[in-house]
Amino acid sequence: AQSVTQLDSHVSVSEGTPVLLRCNYSSSYSPSLFWYVQHPNKGLQLLLKYTSAATLVKGINGFEAEFKKSETSFHLTKPSAHMSDAAEYFCVVSRNYGQNFVFGPGTRLSVLP
Amino acid sequence: EAGVAQSPRYKIIEKRQSVAFWCNPISGHATLYWYQQILGQGPKLLIQFQNNGVVDDSQLPKDRFSAERLKGVDSTLKIQPAKLEDSAVYLCASSPVGGDHTGELFFGEGSRLTVL
Repeated sequence: AQSVTQLDSHVSVSEGTPVLLRCNYSSSYSPSLFWYVQHPNKGLQLLLKYTSAATLVKGINGFEAEFKKSETSFHLTKPSAHMSDAAEYFCVVSRNYGQNFVFGPGTRLSVLP
Repeated sequence: EAGVAQSPRYKIIEKRQSVAFWCNPISGHATLYWYQQILGQGPKLLIQFQNNGVVDDSQLPKDRFSAERLKGVDSTLKIQPAKLEDSAVYLCASSPVGGDHTGELFFGEGSRLTVL
């Protein structure tokens, strides 16, 4: 069985400050891990993915995430928040790279001017 | 490249009525998924197709929900009869098999259902 925990339901940062969105996973298999972003009334968009290659993964819009097996974590970071980053972020785990996608509950990111 | 198309974008019905949602995946994507996203929650898988076969429908409430993908391309999700708790956004996603984007989900904008 697989599961995802996103430790914060809501994160608020000031524009220009770092962003940290936390994700912990549980999987009986070697997982593939993803971060998706959902802007209001828009479809989900892939930010980045980990598939057993480099543990530090770079994505779109300056986001990156680090896979830490010992901590079963896949936290999302960005050095400097922009107003356009305000959205809902979902951490996702899958098995066999395309099977059994399980979404976390999401973290809403607010960016203050 | 055209994205995943869904219709209708919005639907309001009364409980016990029926509703159908349509999805056209990205051309060439063999795998198609329907997810239910209730307000404030992450998407939950309802059904996964590989071509026109069902891979996983373990979380589909089969007494009221049905889905088909007859020719391995577009798909329809039906709810009959609807309940209040079916109010949600129904997301369709597709995924290629093979290539650089294997295993990635490409989502449509969703169909928002309100049951009164």
